[in-house]
Amino acid sequence: EDQVTQSPEALRLQEGESSSLNCSYTVSGLRGLFWYRQDPGKGPEFLFTLYSAGEEKEKERLKATLTKKESFLHITAPKPEDSATYLCAVQASGTYKYIFGTGTRLKVLA
Amino acid sequence: GAVVSQHPSWVICKSGTSVKIECRSLDFQATTMFWYRQFPKQSLMLMATSNEGSKATYEQGVEKDKFLINHASLTLSTLTVTSAHPEDSSFYICSARDRLAGEGTQYFGPGTRLTVL
Repeated sequence: EDQVTQSPEALRLQEGESSSLNCSYTVSGLRGLFWYRQDPGKGPEFLFTLYSAGEEKEKERLKATLTKKESFLHITAPKPEDSATYLCAVQASGTYKYIFGTGTRLKVLA
Repeated sequence: GAVVSQHPSWVICKSGTSVKIECRSLDFQATTMFWYRQFPKQSLMLMATSNEGSKATYEQGVEKDKFLINHASLTLSTLTVTSAHPEDSSFYICSARDRLAGEGTQYFGPGTRLTVL
């Protein structure tokens, strides 16, 4: 069965304290892995798409990496405005449907 | 680019009435749109896949007659919650895939908060 697991469930960081969020997946053929940021009461905001193991993408303080079993979202020197829930989703081959993880709630303290 | 809008952003209705939510892709064409439901502090739950010009595909456990989906054009999909009841209160979010982008990334709308009294 296709499955996505995110850890930790919640994370509190001091401003400037770098860390990583994990997204582990099992899927019958990976079409793509997607990272989103969601603020309370809003829709998810697209961050990254990764397609193959070894791929990396960066945007400001965020860097996403992908292996055959998991993806990491690295946050370097986070700021309070990075506080949000970060969602990971995978697409299996042959479909455009997403399988979402439960998310990581990140709180960055000033 | 890749902006998706939803209307209304919030709605309050009485039990037994029907509510229509619109999802529009503003700067791209979307042959496929998706409807999700999200409960507080939980992840998104896919309700159905909306295909332009054809019937929607519903996920297991989602009532087709309760949640009517119409995808009448390449930029508009609607979700109608029929005979709404308090248990239908939730945050409904749509997403759309750019048919010309050649890849699977979904772009999400801002969501619609439905409260049924």
